[in-house]
Amino acid sequence: DIQLTQSPSSLSASVGDRVTISCRASQNIGNSLNWYRQRPRRAPDLLIYAASSLQSGVPSRFSGRGSGTDFTLTISSLQPEDFVTYYCQQSYSSPRSFGQGTVLELK
Amino acid sequence: EVQLVESGGGLEQPGRSLRLSCKSSGFNFGDYAISWVRQAPGKGLEWVGFIRSEAWGGTSEYAVSVEDRFTISRDDSKSTAYLQMNSLNSEDTAVYYCARDRRVDAAMITWYYFDFWGQGTPVIVSS
Repeated sequence: DIQLTQSPSSLSASVGDRVTISCRASQNIGNSLNWYRQRPRRAPDLLIYAASSLQSGVPSRFSGRGSGTDFTLTISSLQPEDFVTYYCQQSYSSPRSFGQGTVLELK
Repeated sequence: EVQLVESGGGLEQPGRSLRLSCKSSGFNFGDYAISWVRQAPGKGLEWVGFIRSEAWGGTSEYAVSVEDRFTISRDDSKSTAYLQMNSLNSEDTAVYYCARDRRVDAAMITWYYFDFWGQGTPVIVSS
C-alpha cells in the first residue's frame, strides 16, 4: 500500500501570507496526486487534481506541483476562509490513501 | 447541479449490519464510479472503497480494514450507490461520505479524483 506523509501537521500563518504544504509518497505515483480542503463539519472540496490541475471554480491562489514522490500545495496569499484542513490523496493504486491532514491555523 | 445525498446512517450495535445509500442527481450516474470515504471523530479521511461504472465492469475494490465486511453496489436505474456494512465494530464509527469518482484518460495516463461529495451520514456503533 502507498503511504502519504504530509508536513507539517499544523501550520500557523497570517492573512496575506504565502504557505506551502508538502506531501510525500512512499513510492513513485507519477502525478496521480490530488489535494482537498475540508472546512469544519463539511465534506471535503477538491482543489487540485493530477498534481497541478486547478479544479474549476477554485481560486487561482491555490497551486500544486510535483511528481514521483514529492508534491506541494501552495496558497499564494492566504484569505480568512483558507484556515481549514488540507489533505493530499493518491489515485495511483488501491487503496486510494489520504495523507493525515494539515491544519492551517490563524496566527 | 450535481448532487449526492447519503442516507441510512444512525446508531447500531456491534456485530449488526447497516446499509447506506448515496442518491445522485444532476449527472449521468451510470457513467461514473462512486467512492465511499469515512472520517472517524476528530480524525482524518479514510478511503473505504469504490465501485466502477458498468462500462468498466462494475467491480469494486476495498480498503483492507473493511474488505471482508463491507460491500458496495449500485443501481444505475435509481442513480444510487449502496454501502452494505456487516459485522460492525466501534472502529466503524465515523461520518460516511460518498463521492463521484471521476476518471480522466489522457495520453496514456489515467487520473482519478473525487470531484463532488455528499454531505455525509453519521454511523455510530455502540452497545
